[in-house]
Amino acid sequence: NAGVTQTPKFRVLKTGQSMTLLCAQDMNHEYMYWYRQDPGMGLRLIHYSVGEGTTAKGEVPDGYNVSRLKKQNFLLGLESAAPSQTSVYFCASRTSGVREQFFGPGTRLTVL
Amino acid sequence: DAKTTQPPSMDCAEGRAANLPCNHSTISGNEYVYWYRQIHSQGPQYIIHGLKNNETNEMASLIITEDRKSSTLILPHATLRDTAVYYCIVLSNDYKLSFGAGTTVTVRA
Repeated sequence: NAGVTQTPKFRVLKTGQSMTLLCAQDMNHEYMYWYRQDPGMGLRLIHYSVGEGTTAKGEVPDGYNVSRLKKQNFLLGLESAAPSQTSVYFCASRTSGVREQFFGPGTRLTVL
Repeated sequence: DAKTTQPPSMDCAEGRAANLPCNHSTISGNEYVYWYRQIHSQGPQYIIHGLKNNETNEMASLIITEDRKSSTLILPHATLRDTAVYYCIVLSNDYKLSFGAGTTVTVRA
């Protein structure tokens, strides 16, 4: 089991560019989450999904879109990147009935 | 959602027990206390959780006060690899994690 993987590990964007972050899990988990972590702070929930084809907003959803077309994948999109979106992005997943979330290694994004 | 209060940092000697306090005075009766840790910008790692009773696993012990307004995470024999940021989280009914700033624990040789 690879667990939760994230692609890419690092990325540098210019303001206004778009990109998609991919989260994949091989544990057949129903729930998936996207968080961002700014320096010296805890993680904040961006969007989450309770199952294939569903998405919902978290604490800081503005400027991001998500899709869950396949159960194992959760995509996070930035349509027009801004410097304020410079952060480390973590994906997590869990199975139904279990509260423990499993986290990926993170994607470090810099927007210039 | 119940909020938590943790000290910003603490040091611990290698081989000694590390006791990490957490206050959660507004916790509701059916909300769980969860502990995660984050080692050097890696993804957070689950440690332990509890509702009312004390809990122990291979990583740590969790002591919850009788009124549930505070708890203590105990790392019985801290090693250098336990240096990390430790997050105490009260899990909301929708199972969404809400991270604060955590406690930065530094284990010293």
